Amino acid sequence: ETGVTQSPTHLIKTRGQQVTLRCSSQSGHNTVSWYQQALGQGPQFIFQYYREEENGRGNFPPRFSGLQFPNYSSELNVNALELDDSALYLCAIIPVNTEAFFGQGTRLTVV
Amino acid sequence: SQQGEEDPQALSIQEGENATMNCSYKTSINNLQWYRQNSGRGLVHLILIRSNEREKHSGRLRVTLDTSKKSSSLLITASRAADTASYFCAMYNNNDMRFGAGTRLTVKP
Repeated sequence: ETGVTQSPTHLIKTRGQQVTLRCSSQSGHNTVSWYQQALGQGPQFIFQYYREEENGRGNFPPRFSGLQFPNYSSELNVNALELDDSALYLCAIIPVNTEAFFGQGTRLTVV
Repeated sequence: SQQGEEDPQALSIQEGENATMNCSYKTSINNLQWYRQNSGRGLVHLILIRSNEREKHSGRLRVTLDTSKKSSSLLITASRAADTASYFCAMYNNNDMRFGAGTRLTVKP
């Protein structure tokens, strides 16, 4: 069982603020990826962490940053929030060459 | 930008009909996966096809893969109203997974 849990489920922030989103899994996996999904779009790759190091990054600015901890939980931090950051943020555990396991996502609204 | 393109963007059919969604991609892959998403929540894995496979079945789902054309298709047979959702293809290569823009399927009862 590789249940992936994200918190919080919903969040409302004001433009310019900072936000931290969290992801954990029941079993340890050393690769975690974060995605941003705007309404009506497919998930866009933000970055991936492998053994606590960033291991790949999509086309996102440096104000999107992350952490992975020794227990394989992970955080996504976004600074200086913009209105366009409003989206569903998904965390995924991606084992080698098999299906990925996604959390239910965090719905971020920036006002 | 998306790493894959899916068509159609939206598909509306009657219950009992078949639904076909297509995915094209640009890079090399180890496998291609299809996911389903209800109401903007988490993605649910449907089926995985490896780069050395050409066709795979799972229940009412049939997936094909043509690596020479860098394309895949998902067929849902005998559709049900409960199949209404968004469907995404995902290209996996060396621990990296990227998604298409998705097809929004509506199955009318």
